[in-house]
Amino acid sequence: DIQMTQSPSTLSASVGDRVTITCRASQSISSWLAWYQQKPGKAPKFLIYKASSLESGVPSRFSGSGSGTEFTLTISSLQPDDFATYYCQQYNTYSWTFGQGTKVEIK
Amino acid sequence: QVQLVESGGGVVQPGGSLRLSCAASGFTFSSYGMHWVRQAPGKGLEWVAYIRYDGNNEHYADSVKGRFTISRDNSKNTLYLQMNSLRDEDTAVYYCGKPIGGDPPQPFDSWGQGSLVTVSS
Repeated sequence: DIQMTQSPSTLSASVGDRVTITCRASQSISSWLAWYQQKPGKAPKFLIYKASSLESGVPSRFSGSGSGTEFTLTISSLQPDDFATYYCQQYNTYSWTFGQGTKVEIK
Repeated sequence: QVQLVESGGGVVQPGGSLRLSCAASGFTFSSYGMHWVRQAPGKGLEWVAYIRYDGNNEHYADSVKGRFTISRDNSKNTLYLQMNSLRDEDTAVYYCGKPIGGDPPQPFDSWGQGSLVTVSS
Protein backbone atom coordinates (compact mmCIF):
# COMPACT_ATOMS: atom_id res chain seq x y z
CA ASP A 1 0.00 0.00 0.00
CA ILE A 2 1.03 3.59 -0.59
CA GLN A 3 1.99 5.41 2.61
CA MET A 4 1.35 9.14 3.03
CA THR A 5 3.47 11.20 5.42
CA GLN A 6 2.60 14.76 6.40
CA SER A 7 4.83 17.34 8.03
CA PRO A 8 4.73 18.98 10.41
CA SER A 9 2.29 17.15 12.70
CA THR A 10 1.46 20.41 14.46
CA LEU A 11 1.95 23.97 13.27
CA SER A 12 1.52 27.11 15.39
CA ALA A 13 0.70 30.24 13.43
CA SER A 14 -0.98 33.63 13.70
CA VAL A 15 -3.80 35.18 11.73
CA GLY A 16 -2.36 36.58 8.50
CA ASP A 17 0.55 34.14 8.35
CA ARG A 18 1.42 32.17 5.23
CA VAL A 19 1.26 28.48 6.09
CA THR A 20 2.63 25.49 4.18
CA ILE A 21 1.95 21.82 4.88
CA THR A 22 3.91 19.05 3.12
CA CYS A 23 2.67 15.60 2.14
CA ARG A 24 4.97 12.87 0.80
CA ALA A 25 3.92 9.63 -0.87
CA SER A 26 5.93 6.40 -0.56
CA GLN A 27 5.75 6.00 -4.34
CA SER A 28 4.69 8.16 -7.26
CA ILE A 29 0.99 9.00 -7.35
CA SER A 30 1.18 11.40 -10.30
CA SER A 31 -1.23 14.21 -9.32
CA TRP A 32 -3.84 11.99 -7.67
CA LEU A 33 -3.84 13.85 -4.37
CA ALA A 34 -6.59 15.55 -2.40
CA TRP A 35 -6.63 17.78 0.69
CA TYR A 36 -9.29 17.97 3.42
CA GLN A 37 -9.92 20.23 6.40
CA GLN A 38 -11.45 18.85 9.59
CA LYS A 39 -12.65 20.66 12.67
CA PRO A 40 -13.29 18.92 16.01
CA GLY A 41 -16.46 16.84 16.02
CA LYS A 42 -17.15 17.50 12.35
CA ALA A 43 -16.79 15.53 9.12
CA PRO A 44 -13.89 16.42 6.85
CA LYS A 45 -14.38 19.14 4.25
CA PHE A 46 -13.08 18.64 0.71
CA LEU A 47 -10.66 21.39 -0.35
CA ILE A 48 -8.44 20.38 -3.28
CA TYR A 49 -8.25 17.55 -5.81
CA LYS A 50 -5.78 16.52 -8.46
CA ALA A 51 -3.07 18.17 -6.35
CA SER A 52 -3.92 21.76 -7.31
CA SER A 53 -7.59 22.05 -8.35
CA LEU A 54 -9.68 24.03 -5.88
CA GLU A 55 -13.10 22.62 -5.02
CA SER A 56 -15.97 24.99 -5.76
CA GLY A 57 -16.64 27.38 -2.88
CA VAL A 58 -13.23 26.98 -1.24
CA PRO A 59 -11.52 30.34 -0.62
CA SER A 60 -8.73 31.24 -3.01
CA ARG A 61 -6.26 31.64 -0.13
CA PHE A 62 -5.98 27.83 -0.26
CA SER A 63 -3.74 26.38 -2.95
CA GLY A 64 -2.06 23.07 -3.67
CA SER A 65 0.94 22.06 -5.69
CA GLY A 66 3.20 19.12 -6.45
CA SER A 67 3.30 15.87 -8.36
CA GLY A 68 4.92 12.48 -8.10
CA THR A 69 5.77 12.02 -4.43
CA GLU A 70 5.90 15.52 -2.92
CA PHE A 71 2.96 17.87 -2.45
CA THR A 72 2.15 21.04 -0.54
CA LEU A 73 -0.95 22.78 0.75
CA THR A 74 -0.52 26.52 1.22
CA ILE A 75 -2.79 28.98 3.00
CA SER A 76 -1.68 32.40 1.81
CA SER A 77 -3.08 34.41 4.71
CA LEU A 78 -4.37 32.39 7.65
CA GLN A 79 -7.86 33.32 8.82
CA PRO A 80 -9.54 32.50 12.16
CA ASP A 81 -11.76 29.92 10.44
CA ASP A 82 -8.69 28.04 9.15
CA PHE A 83 -7.52 26.70 12.52
CA ALA A 84 -8.20 23.00 12.02
CA THR A 85 -6.54 19.71 11.11
CA TYR A 86 -5.60 19.10 7.49
CA TYR A 87 -5.26 15.72 5.79
CA CYS A 88 -3.83 14.72 2.44
CA GLN A 89 -5.19 11.65 0.64
CA GLN A 90 -3.89 9.69 -2.32
CA TYR A 91 -6.33 8.16 -4.79
CA ASN A 92 -3.89 6.63 -7.24
CA THR A 93 -4.99 3.11 -6.38
CA TYR A 94 -8.06 1.30 -5.08
CA SER A 95 -6.68 1.69 -1.57
CA TRP A 96 -7.25 5.30 -0.68
CA THR A 97 -4.84 6.35 2.06
CA PHE A 98 -4.63 9.47 4.19
CA GLY A 99 -1.73 11.24 5.78
CA GLN A 100 -1.69 11.33 9.57
CA GLY A 101 -2.87 14.94 9.68
CA THR A 102 -1.43 18.38 10.43
CA LYS A 103 -3.03 20.41 13.19
CA VAL A 104 -2.86 24.17 12.63
CA GLU A 105 -3.01 25.89 16.03
CA ILE A 106 -3.24 29.49 17.14
CA LYS A 107 0.19 30.85 18.12
CA GLN B 1 -27.97 19.24 -2.02
CA VAL B 2 -26.16 16.00 -1.18
CA GLN B 3 -27.10 14.51 2.15
CA LEU B 4 -25.62 11.40 3.76
CA VAL B 5 -27.01 10.21 7.08
CA GLU B 6 -25.38 7.33 8.95
CA SER B 7 -27.14 5.21 11.56
CA GLY B 8 -26.69 1.95 13.42
CA GLY B 9 -23.73 2.75 15.64
CA GLY B 10 -23.57 1.80 19.29
CA VAL B 11 -21.73 -0.23 21.89
CA VAL B 12 -20.87 -3.85 21.09
CA GLN B 13 -18.73 -6.46 22.83
CA PRO B 14 -15.50 -7.76 21.29
CA GLY B 15 -16.32 -10.50 18.82
CA GLY B 16 -19.77 -9.07 18.20
CA SER B 17 -21.44 -7.72 15.07
CA LEU B 18 -23.05 -4.47 14.00
CA ARG B 19 -24.52 -3.12 10.77
CA LEU B 20 -24.21 0.52 9.79
CA SER B 21 -26.48 2.22 7.27
CA CYS B 22 -26.02 5.39 5.26
CA ALA B 23 -29.11 6.98 3.71
CA ALA B 24 -28.28 9.08 0.66
CA SER B 25 -30.24 11.86 -1.00
CA GLY B 26 -29.71 14.84 -3.28
CA PHE B 27 -27.85 12.94 -6.01
CA THR B 28 -28.28 9.90 -8.25
CA PHE B 29 -27.06 7.30 -5.75
CA SER B 30 -27.04 4.45 -8.27
CA SER B 31 -24.48 6.31 -10.43
CA TYR B 32 -21.76 6.62 -7.78
CA GLY B 33 -19.41 4.25 -6.04
CA MET B 34 -19.48 4.81 -2.27
CA HIS B 35 -17.07 4.54 0.63
CA TRP B 36 -16.79 4.00 4.36
CA VAL B 37 -14.05 5.85 6.25
CA ARG B 38 -13.39 5.69 9.99
CA GLN B 39 -11.65 7.76 12.62
CA ALA B 40 -10.60 6.32 15.96
CA PRO B 41 -10.88 8.71 18.95
CA GLY B 42 -8.17 11.37 18.68
CA LYS B 43 -6.66 9.74 15.59
CA GLY B 44 -6.56 10.34 11.85
CA LEU B 45 -8.75 9.19 8.99
CA GLU B 46 -8.63 5.60 7.75
CA TRP B 47 -10.32 4.45 4.55
CA VAL B 48 -12.29 1.23 5.21
CA ALA B 49 -14.17 0.05 2.13
CA TYR B 50 -15.46 0.95 -1.35
CA ILE B 51 -18.28 -0.42 -3.45
CA ARG B 52 -18.87 0.24 -7.15
CA TYR B 53 -22.02 2.00 -8.29
CA ASP B 54 -23.72 -1.28 -9.25
CA GLY B 55 -22.52 -3.25 -6.23
CA ASN B 56 -20.45 -5.63 -8.35
CA ASN B 57 -16.96 -4.63 -7.17
CA GLU B 58 -15.65 -4.05 -3.65
CA HIS B 59 -12.35 -3.10 -2.09
CA TYR B 60 -11.32 -3.26 1.57
CA ALA B 61 -8.54 -2.04 3.81
CA ASP B 62 -6.34 -4.90 5.01
CA SER B 63 -7.34 -4.11 8.61
CA VAL B 64 -10.99 -5.12 7.96
CA LYS B 65 -10.71 -7.61 5.10
CA GLY B 66 -12.59 -10.82 5.85
CA ARG B 67 -14.51 -9.23 8.76
CA PHE B 68 -16.40 -6.31 7.20
CA THR B 69 -18.72 -6.36 4.18
CA ILE B 70 -19.85 -3.30 2.25
CA SER B 71 -23.12 -3.50 0.32
CA ARG B 72 -25.77 -1.24 -1.13
CA ASP B 73 -29.44 -1.17 -2.07
CA ASN B 74 -29.88 1.24 -4.96
CA SER B 75 -33.68 0.92 -4.75
CA LYS B 76 -33.48 2.37 -1.22
CA ASN B 77 -30.57 4.79 -1.84
CA THR B 78 -28.79 3.17 1.09
CA LEU B 79 -25.24 2.02 1.75
CA TYR B 80 -24.39 -0.58 4.39
CA LEU B 81 -21.40 -1.82 6.35
CA GLN B 82 -21.73 -5.19 8.04
CA MET B 83 -19.08 -5.47 10.74
CA ASN B 84 -18.35 -8.92 12.23
CA SER B 85 -15.72 -10.20 14.67
CA LEU B 86 -15.34 -6.69 16.06
CA ARG B 87 -12.17 -5.79 17.94
CA ASP B 88 -11.28 -3.03 20.38
CA GLU B 89 -9.32 -1.29 17.61
CA ASP B 90 -12.47 -0.99 15.48
CA THR B 91 -13.77 1.63 17.92
CA ALA B 92 -14.23 4.76 15.79
CA VAL B 93 -16.59 7.21 14.19
CA TYR B 94 -17.62 5.72 10.84
CA TYR B 95 -18.37 8.07 7.95
CA CYS B 96 -19.89 7.27 4.60
CA GLY B 97 -18.42 9.22 1.73
CA LYS B 98 -19.40 10.04 -1.83
CA PRO B 99 -16.66 10.47 -4.44
CA ILE B 100 -16.57 13.20 -7.03
CA GLY B 101 -17.69 12.26 -10.54
CA GLY B 102 -15.49 10.44 -13.02
CA ASP B 103 -13.86 7.06 -13.32
CA PRO B 104 -12.68 5.69 -9.97
CA PRO B 105 -10.63 6.07 -7.93
CA GLN B 106 -11.66 9.59 -6.95
CA PRO B 107 -11.57 11.69 -3.72
CA PHE B 108 -14.65 12.36 -1.60
CA ASP B 109 -16.63 15.57 -1.93
CA SER B 110 -19.42 14.72 0.51
CA TRP B 111 -19.41 13.06 3.93
CA GLY B 112 -22.04 12.06 6.44
CA GLN B 113 -22.04 13.28 10.02
CA GLY B 114 -20.59 10.01 11.29
CA SER B 115 -21.80 7.15 13.48
CA LEU B 116 -19.88 6.13 16.61
CA VAL B 117 -19.06 2.46 17.09
CA THR B 118 -17.62 1.48 20.47
CA VAL B 119 -16.24 -2.02 20.97
CA SER B 120 -15.96 -2.70 24.66
CA SER B 121 -16.68 -5.40 27.19
